[in-house]
Amino acid sequence: GQQLNQSPQSMFIQEGEDVSMNCTSSSIFNTWLWYKQDPGEGPVLLIALYKAGELTSNGRLTAQFGITRKDSFLNISASIPSDVGIYFCAGLTNTGTASKLTFGTGTRLQVTL
Amino acid sequence: NAGVTQTPKFQVLKTGQSMTLQCAQDMNHEYMSWYRQDPGMGLRLIHYSVGAGITDQGEVPNGYNVSRSTTEDFPLRLLSAAPSQTSVYFCASTLSTSGYNEQFFGPGTRLTVL
Repeated sequence: GQQLNQSPQSMFIQEGEDVSMNCTSSSIFNTWLWYKQDPGEGPVLLIALYKAGELTSNGRLTAQFGITRKDSFLNISASIPSDVGIYFCAGLTNTGTASKLTFGTGTRLQVTL
Repeated sequence: NAGVTQTPKFQVLKTGQSMTLQCAQDMNHEYMSWYRQDPGMGLRLIHYSVGAGITDQGEVPNGYNVSRSTTEDFPLRLLSAAPSQTSVYFCASTLSTSGYNEQFFGPGTRLTVL
């Protein structure tokens, strides 16, 4: 099946630092999504990207849909302790009967004071 | 409006036992799906449904059955549990299958098969 490679696998940063993570694929996606998962919870959507080259912000988060449609990145500026969690990218494909999400392997973010 | 609910939250089974993981949503969403989450592998799609009476296989369907008799409920059945099915299971729902609508995930069921 399709594979999404997400990097880095984990990050330890200090509060106030900026964070950057990315996702690459061997396949083209119609839509890129970024989710955050808190411990013991399900993923929650952060940002959705619909067009190649699109750059979208949501507060301190900025994400871009790569021009080749095979990659995306997520930046978090001025990190705070509540940013701790696992961040997943996901690519969406439309199969005709339904849309399917393929998830990346996740980036675990730890923020130290 | 409770969103997506899943029960149980935790479950321990012995190899060969059967059980049903329950999922319900009260948002009148057409599309529901089941994922499993394993360490280092992200979420993988098990089965999905585009509406009542319609189900289809995802990426890792073996060992699991689903049915969709109502819009609200989408149970996942393990007929004969195996240790390889130890995982965290997430149910998700989205408004429709046309274009993209935000998927809402339940809180998960943590299953251990001994």
